[in-house]
Amino acid sequence: AQKVTQAQTEISVVEKEDVTLDCVYETRDTTYYLFWYKQPPSGELVFLIRRNSFDEQNEISGRYSWNFQKSTSSFNFTITASQVVDSAVYFCALSEPYNNNDMRFGAGTRLTVKP
Amino acid sequence: SQTIHQWPATLVQPVGSPLSLECTVEGTSNPNLYWYRQAAGRGLQLLFYSVGIGQISSEVPQNLSASRPQDRQFILSSKKLLLSDSGFYLCAWSPETFNSEKLFFGSGTQLSVL
Repeated sequence: AQKVTQAQTEISVVEKEDVTLDCVYETRDTTYYLFWYKQPPSGELVFLIRRNSFDEQNEISGRYSWNFQKSTSSFNFTITASQVVDSAVYFCALSEPYNNNDMRFGAGTRLTVKP
Repeated sequence: SQTIHQWPATLVQPVGSPLSLECTVEGTSNPNLYWYRQAAGRGLQLLFYSVGIGQISSEVPQNLSASRPQDRQFILSSKKLLLSDSGFYLCAWSPETFNSEKLFFGSGTQLSVL
């Protein structure tokens, strides 16, 4: 079964600092999808990005960037110039379309950005 | 556009009482439906998922059950709640596609079992 590990339980940074959230995954499938979700204090999870296993090109969206490396089974998320509004719990997730299509989440990383 | 409704937002129940959480999706057909639980300070645990009416897959043996009586309705139930059932329950849906799509989450139900 697939597995997602987010080793960082909590991270605290000061505003404007860059921060990287780590995600390591395990899967036996060659086709899979990786995701990042943000859970603000309101509780509802918000989708950030989806990446398929055949696309290792890194992606940048504003202050957010993602580094996908199949060689190390990692899909790390970096926030540049962090802001207080970035404070949330961030989840990495893995889905295998040939394995019931259910999504497995990591334990999450709580990011606190202090002013 | 598609929307997902989940209720109630908060619930306080005594140990041994029954539970019924409801989730409905609008604006789509044949969605995949999911129930997740998030224990305090912990990650998301997949409880049930459904790919169609009456089709329920259980991930964790427990005293919870799920049902899908209609295409866009997903219900989480228990006959007798345990203290360990406390947590934040999230319903989610994804399009019925072969390739993994992102999940759309409801606003969650905070369940406290006392």
